[in-house]
Amino acid sequence: QKEVEQNSGPLSVPEGAIASLNCTYSDRGSQSFFWYRQYSGKSPELIMFIYSNGDKEDGRFTAQLNKASQYVSLLIRDSQPSDSATYLCAVYPRGNNNDMRFGAGTRLTVKP
Amino acid sequence: DAGVIQSPRHEVTEMGQEVTLRCKPISGHNSLFWYRQTMMRGLELLIYFNNNVPIDDSGMPEDRFSAKMPNASFSTLKIQPSEPRDSAVYFCASRFLGSSYNEQFFGPGTRLTVL
Repeated sequence: QKEVEQNSGPLSVPEGAIASLNCTYSDRGSQSFFWYRQYSGKSPELIMFIYSNGDKEDGRFTAQLNKASQYVSLLIRDSQPSDSATYLCAVYPRGNNNDMRFGAGTRLTVKP
Repeated sequence: DAGVIQSPRHEVTEMGQEVTLRCKPISGHNSLFWYRQTMMRGLELLIYFNNNVPIDDSGMPEDRFSAKMPNASFSTLKIQPSEPRDSAVYFCASRFLGSSYNEQFFGPGTRLTVL
């Protein structure tokens, strides 16, 4: 089992819809969770982080964390073509705040 | 404030040559990470430094790879000799160890092609 798993996609949504990106992790003791956006040919860009169960909202983005289910998600409301990118889920495992573990990423396409 | 700076942005070299990648972390950050990204393997951590000291280099693929951080504002990743399978995008990232979430910030990357 991979430490951080994401559906590679591609995930395609129409403009204005809600995009839902999902991530599961294997280490139950993981503490901090991150979502990075990576445009083609560019570097990962941090867009959200969360460490408590529940929802965290920032503009059109909402991160959701469920530690009991070892599940973290990212919702993008009112999706725009400019949101088309690969979204990487990242986790610090239990007791280790140095070695950030990344998922393989989900490619999102927002169609006009 | 400038973000993480990497140079060169692109490097094309021939097999057997030495390659040196450079990174300047964000000012004030005290941790630095070197990653490699390929389509097949995704984003892999190669090595990281805390306060200029290498902490874990278990991700370095083999002895051909070495990294140094002589001071808080500069790090290098060297490949000698380079091989075609080293072709990838190499990212440097930095963070302030001790911040609430230890979030990492990435540089623009160096795209390395070994012919």
